[in-house]
Amino acid sequence: DVKVTQSSRYLVKRTGEKVFLECVQDMDHENMFWYRQDPGLGLRLIYFSYDVKMKEKGDIPEGYSVSREKKERFSLILESASTNQTSMYLCASSSPGQGDTDTQYFGPGTRLTVL
Amino acid sequence: GESVGLHLPTLSVQEGDNSIINCAYSNSASDYFIWYKQESGKGPQFIIDIRSNMDKRQGQRVTVLLNKTVKHLSLQIAATQPGDSAVYFCAEILRQAGTALIFGKGTTLSVSS
Repeated sequence: DVKVTQSSRYLVKRTGEKVFLECVQDMDHENMFWYRQDPGLGLRLIYFSYDVKMKEKGDIPEGYSVSREKKERFSLILESASTNQTSMYLCASSSPGQGDTDTQYFGPGTRLTVL
Repeated sequence: GESVGLHLPTLSVQEGDNSIINCAYSNSASDYFIWYKQESGKGPQFIIDIRSNMDKRQGQRVTVLLNKTVKHLSLQIAATQPGDSAVYFCAEILRQAGTALIFGKGTTLSVSS
């Protein structure tokens, strides 16, 4: 079974802090994704990566950056956390060509609160 | 603009009934669609997918129907059980976005005994 893990389930930070959210997948997937999920807005794509050291902006990249130094790990960075970044953050991974699908497998999520 | 949406934010059914959750999409270039289930406090879980060259696909107690003419996707759950209570998302892949999925806002399914 595919396993995607996120470093924290719950996180509380203060405005202005630098925040790191870590995601690790154990299935050698090429693609990894970071979403945020907010009530009434659904899932919105922040950043994604097709390969090591490669990144692409999603729909809402402002205020975020990412790092993919190893294939299995994709980090989301909030350079200076703000209260409007309080949200549920979901990481996902996929491998193109597996059974001709692009199914994304999700981690359990990190609920971040910025005070 | 491009959008993926669900017709109803909530759906309440009785245990044993069949449930139908609907989704509309607007981009005719999409060639792959997925339904996800998200239980409270968990990440979305894959349920079933369908490619644009298919009209119907069946899984265990679930069926996805795709109507490309009206850009409509539906998820049918047979003999709905209390464990089916969750938020259901449809998602599409847009070719210009690569493998990044575009998600609808979700329908909350509540199953009562």
